[in-house]
Amino acid sequence: DIQMTQSPSSLSASVGDRVTITCRASQSISSYLNWYQQKPGKAPKLLIYAASSLQSGVPSRFGGRGSGTDFTLTISSLQPEDFATYYCQQSYSTPLFTFGPGTKVDIK
Amino acid sequence: QLQLEESGPGLVKPSETLSLTCTVSGGSITSSRHYWGWIRQPPGKGLEWIGSIYYRGSTYYNPSLKSRVTISVDTSKNQFSLKLSSVTAADTAVYYCARLDTRGWFDYWGQGTLVTVSS
Repeated sequence: DIQMTQSPSSLSASVGDRVTITCRASQSISSYLNWYQQKPGKAPKLLIYAASSLQSGVPSRFGGRGSGTDFTLTISSLQPEDFATYYCQQSYSTPLFTFGPGTKVDIK
Repeated sequence: QLQLEESGPGLVKPSETLSLTCTVSGGSITSSRHYWGWIRQPPGKGLEWIGSIYYRGSTYYNPSLKSRVTISVDTSKNQFSLKLSSVTAADTAVYYCARLDTRGWFDYWGQGTLVTVSS
């Protein structure tokens, strides 16, 4: 099984801050890594697929990098609507999938 | 615009079978580029992939749930369904249906439905 970890588990930041979230896989997953944003009471929303490709309609302040076991999601300038929980998901072991435990971004 | 909507009982008794249906509108469930999946989220916790199905009937399940899960598809109704047997309180969660790109990401989600397991 491929295990996913995320760090930090939570962070506090201010509007305008640059925020980076890390996702790590227990083995190399190449670039088979996707990122989602989830707001309270809402379904997750796909932000980034294949490690670095921006989903249509997602603001360009979101960026993804990495390959192998280490990946990052960066928000270049945090906006009020970006306060949410972020999950990574590996698709290397398709058709089996695992999500990371999530990183909650809240207001400082 | 593609939409997915989960439906089914919000309360299930322990040891019984949880049954949910996802209705897809604004697109065809017979797309060759997509699978269809179920994901759940216990209250206050993270996301867990349950399983996926292709319109021709191929299914894939989370090994941790495989013995209790059945996912099926009804192309005539543009729906797919989830059955989870022998439920316990640990199966209490919001259940989401989602479209799964063949390249491995979930790009459209239903709004989710809370299923509580309680007597």
